[in-house]
Amino acid sequence: GQSLEQPSEVTAVEGAIVQINCTYQTSGFYGLSWYQQHDGGAPTFLSYNGLDGLEETGRFSSFLSRSDSYGYLLLQELQMKDSASYFCAVRDRGSGGYQKVTFGIGTKLQVIP
Amino acid sequence: DARVTQTPRHKVTEMGQEVTMRCQPILGHNTVFWYRQTMMQGLELLAYFRNRAPLDDSGMPKDRFSAEMPDATLATLKIQPSEPRDSAVYFCASGPHLGGTGATGELFFGEGSRLTVL
Repeated sequence: GQSLEQPSEVTAVEGAIVQINCTYQTSGFYGLSWYQQHDGGAPTFLSYNGLDGLEETGRFSSFLSRSDSYGYLLLQELQMKDSASYFCAVRDRGSGGYQKVTFGIGTKLQVIP
Repeated sequence: DARVTQTPRHKVTEMGQEVTMRCQPILGHNTVFWYRQTMMQGLELLAYFRNRAPLDDSGMPKDRFSAEMPDATLATLKIQPSEPRDSAVYFCASGPHLGGTGATGELFFGEGSRLTVL
């Protein structure tokens, strides 16, 4: 089987740092992605980790540990506009041998003043 | 500005009616995914295609759902007959070949079709 786990909700203060964790169980793992979705909008790609380590893109960083089946998204200098849902997603091999992308249930981040 | 286009954006229908949702992927993308989003289940993978061929539709209720790509510019998701539990937002996403060199699996999502079945 396959599963992804991430917290359902996180609240953080404007200007602070927040970390959203994701653990996964899957076979044929290729990499972990993060997406952002504002209410009523479409998910948009934030980052991808195919190898262990940290990837940084502006205020956002993403980390992967393949041996621990674990990753996280780090948001720094939080802004009110960062209030959104954040999804981790695994790229892995499906039962038919083809690569696919499966999403977690999402973490709703609320940034408060 | 390349983007994935989905129609209709909103659909209200009665139980038992047929519903067809359409998606135009980004030109040049050869993978297309259909996802369903609800509060309880998050983003569920329903079906996906590569080069118009269906690879896996195990996430779909087979008795009522069907997904096709009649050509490279159109993907369809059909529900017949529809039921109230099908009420959700249905997203189409496209991307370049997942297995390509340097591939990240980045998917580009349409704005979704919000379906309400009464």
